[in-house]
Amino acid sequence: NAGVTQTPKFQVLKTGQSMTLQCAQDMNHEYMSWYRQDPGMGLRLIHYSVGAGITDQGEVPNGYNVSRSTTEDFPLRLLSAAPSQTSVYFCASKTPGATYEQYFGPGTRLTVT
Amino acid sequence: SQQGEEDPQALSIQEGENATMNCSYKTSINNLQWYRQNSGRGLVHLILIRSNEREKHSGRLRVTLDTSKKSSSLLITASRAADTASYFCATVDNTNAGKSTFGDGTTLTVKP
Repeated sequence: NAGVTQTPKFQVLKTGQSMTLQCAQDMNHEYMSWYRQDPGMGLRLIHYSVGAGITDQGEVPNGYNVSRSTTEDFPLRLLSAAPSQTSVYFCASKTPGATYEQYFGPGTRLTVT
Repeated sequence: SQQGEEDPQALSIQEGENATMNCSYKTSINNLQWYRQNSGRGLVHLILIRSNEREKHSGRLRVTLDTSKKSSSLLITASRAADTASYFCATVDNTNAGKSTFGDGTTLTVKP
């Protein structure tokens, strides 16, 4: 199993550009989530999904869109990039429910200039 | 705001010593989990403790949970240089989805 994969690993955007961060998992997990991690800080939840066709907002959703058309994929779209969105983005997946661990991808390091 | 707050922010010890990290949180939880993050990598799950448990062990890891004080601690015994990493607590809520909220982490350096 590849687990959770994310592309690209690194990305530089100019202010105002849009882009999509890709996330895929091959563990048949219904629950997927996106986090951002700023330097020296923990992870903050952006959006999450409990299954195909179902998405919901997390703690910091502004400026980001998600969709979940398949169980495997959960892309994160930045609509109009801003310097405040410079961060490392992590995708994670798990079985829905409280007592399950999350499996994380390797992250995408995004810089917005 | 973050649910979990950890202290210390940074901890530096010698190989063979024990390392203790603490996590405090604010609201009711279903369980609390600890994760490890090596520099530049994703998080890896270490251990889960349910809200009705007080202590749990896994190898060199010992986790305690005090729901009355809304706090948890992670003890790593006989530390090794390979334990150098950041450690995060994550509280999991009681919703069907089981969303996690992460603390800011403790950066542990184990000197050989």
